[in-house]
Amino acid sequence: GQSLEQPSEVTAVEGAIVQINCTYQTSGFYGLSWYQQHDGGAPTFLSYNALDGLEETGRFSSFLSRSDSYGYLLLQELQMKDSASYFCAVRGAGFQKLVFGTGTRLLVSP
Amino acid sequence: DGGITQSPKYLFRKEGQNVTLSCEQNLNHDAMYWYRQDPGQGLRLIYYSQIVNDFQKGDIAEGYSVSREKKESFPLTVTSAQKNPTAFYLCASSVLGQGASGELFFGEGSRLTVL
Repeated sequence: GQSLEQPSEVTAVEGAIVQINCTYQTSGFYGLSWYQQHDGGAPTFLSYNALDGLEETGRFSSFLSRSDSYGYLLLQELQMKDSASYFCAVRGAGFQKLVFGTGTRLLVSP
Repeated sequence: DGGITQSPKYLFRKEGQNVTLSCEQNLNHDAMYWYRQDPGQGLRLIYYSQIVNDFQKGDIAEGYSVSREKKESFPLTVTSAQKNPTAFYLCASSVLGQGASGELFFGEGSRLTVL
């Protein structure tokens, strides 16, 4: 089967940097994705890592280490609007099947 | 504008009733998915479809049924056999293929409450 672990909640202040970790167990692996979801809203895609290393998209970066079955999402220059839940997701055995973690709730305070 | 439309946004149902949630996409995506989200929880896969007239069970398919008669439509029926159907239901679609980033495009969700 597949399982993902991420912290349930992270708090930070505006302007700070925060890292949200994700460890996974999966049979077969094609990539690790990150999604953001504001309360009551739809998840939106942030990033995807298929290979080891760091992917940067503006204030957000995502890292993957396949040998460690580990990845993280790095959010820089935090803004109040970044308060949301962040989910990691793996595409494993059965390429089209995407399995989500339980999510990390990020609270950004002034 | 291209996107995914789910309806209804809110739905109330009495116990023992079947309900069908609509999901339509105009992104020309081959793959479509249904996820269930409970408060404070992640998304759990109910069903997914990679092509018209074909679909596969996800991790929590019991008590649900789907159809994929058209590429753009993937309705979900929550049957009376689903023991705890109150939840937020999310439909998504994606491009197929190994080279794809795997990005899912989500609808705005349907919130089902069983009275």
